[in-house]
Amino acid sequence: SQKIEQNSEALNIQEGKTATLTCNYTNYSPAYLQWYRQDPGRGPVFLLLIRENEKEKRKERLKVTFDTTLKQSLFHITASQPADSATYLCALASGGSYIPTFGRGTSLIVHP
Amino acid sequence: ETGVTQTPRHLVMGMTNKKSLKCEQHLGHNAMYWYKQSAKKPLELMFVYNFKEQTENNSVPSRFSPECPNSSHLFLHLHTLQPEDSALYLCASSQRGPTGEQYFGPGTRLTVT
Repeated sequence: SQKIEQNSEALNIQEGKTATLTCNYTNYSPAYLQWYRQDPGRGPVFLLLIRENEKEKRKERLKVTFDTTLKQSLFHITASQPADSATYLCALASGGSYIPTFGRGTSLIVHP
Repeated sequence: ETGVTQTPRHLVMGMTNKKSLKCEQHLGHNAMYWYKQSAKKPLELMFVYNFKEQTENNSVPSRFSPECPNSSHLFLHLHTLQPEDSALYLCASSQRGPTGEQYFGPGTRLTVT
């Protein structure tokens, strides 16, 4: 069956360090992968999209990599700040579908 | 703000009540979605509307009834809910394109007593 796996344990890091979150998938051939941020009690906010033929995408302090051989995406936040503390969701969609499927999300806690 | 609004933000209802959730998007998108989010679970897709036509119904119980009068408005009518239906209900919209990034509303926190 199709599965999207994100680390269920919270990631705790110190302010200024780089946070790296992982999204692994099985039995998918995603055309693209998205990352969202969700704050408690709020809706997710779209951050970045990366297509299957792209290896890396950057936006300000954010970087996403996509390895279709490893079936994995890494999401990096450089120079992390306490305001980056949130849950980060990855979502995948196969070719021909405009509806992504979401992972469970990983909580990031940045300590001052 | 994301351009997607939801009302009410909080709702407490009894199991015999009837209530409705409302969603409005101001982004000119042509697809709208209802999701359910329970604690420690992934987002569960409930319904999808594309150009006002329902295209997905993920085996949602009939006590949830969606309505999409136009491509900017989406309702979720609730009746005879169960306590396990307590959750955050999220509305989203997107352009029906190949990349489909979704824009979410703030959600309605529903508690069924």
